[in-house]
Amino acid sequence: DTAVSQTPKYLVTQMGNDKSIKCEQNLGHDTMYWYKQDSKKFLKIMFSYNNKELIINETVPNRFSPKSPDKAHLNLHINSLELGDSAVYFCASSQRKQVLLSTEAFFGQGTRLTVV
Amino acid sequence: DQQVKQNSPSLSVQEGRISILNCDYTNSMFDYFLWYKKYPAEGPTFLISISSIKDKNEDGRFTVFLNKSAKHLSLHIVPSQPGDSAVYFCAAGAYGSSNTGKLIFGQGTTLQVKP
Repeated sequence: DTAVSQTPKYLVTQMGNDKSIKCEQNLGHDTMYWYKQDSKKFLKIMFSYNNKELIINETVPNRFSPKSPDKAHLNLHINSLELGDSAVYFCASSQRKQVLLSTEAFFGQGTRLTVV
Repeated sequence: DQQVKQNSPSLSVQEGRISILNCDYTNSMFDYFLWYKKYPAEGPTFLISISSIKDKNEDGRFTVFLNKSAKHLSLHIVPSQPGDSAVYFCAAGAYGSSNTGKLIFGQGTTLQVKP
């Protein structure tokens, strides 16, 4: 019973194509995220949605567009894919807590995107 | 500008001994810190966290220590087991004006526990 699931796990596509990665969480969390792990292994946040509202939008090219149809889903659409988009993309969710308590995020298994 | 740094890319210890993973940060506004464990081809898994008002948090074999004056935290694993072999990420978060839950991650330390 996967808590945060994302599909596909692997995605190989040609430059210029448009692709989507889907994410669903069954934890009842109110916030979902997309993180990117680049070739240097850094995990960096891209977007965050809280109850379908965009609350974090880091410096990400406009070709990346998140879409949240409901608070259990956050999909990532990428247009005009470039070689540099090759990375592992992780979806995550969390339930924001009161001050003095940590807000731990639960991650999906990742989607390895390879642009050729 | 990397706000969370793990300066040791790898660590190798013998089974049964202590593993100590280190993490430094630069932003004094961080309110909480977390450690994640990651196996190949899987997502990071939450391990343990600590609030900035504490200096120690323990959960079984895992203990996290926080030294705010030094902006340093560490994860101790005692005793280390071969199943602990994984990449460990340090992460930090801040409440700010709105608690977005955004986490800043270090680059990870690969721990190998030898039988």
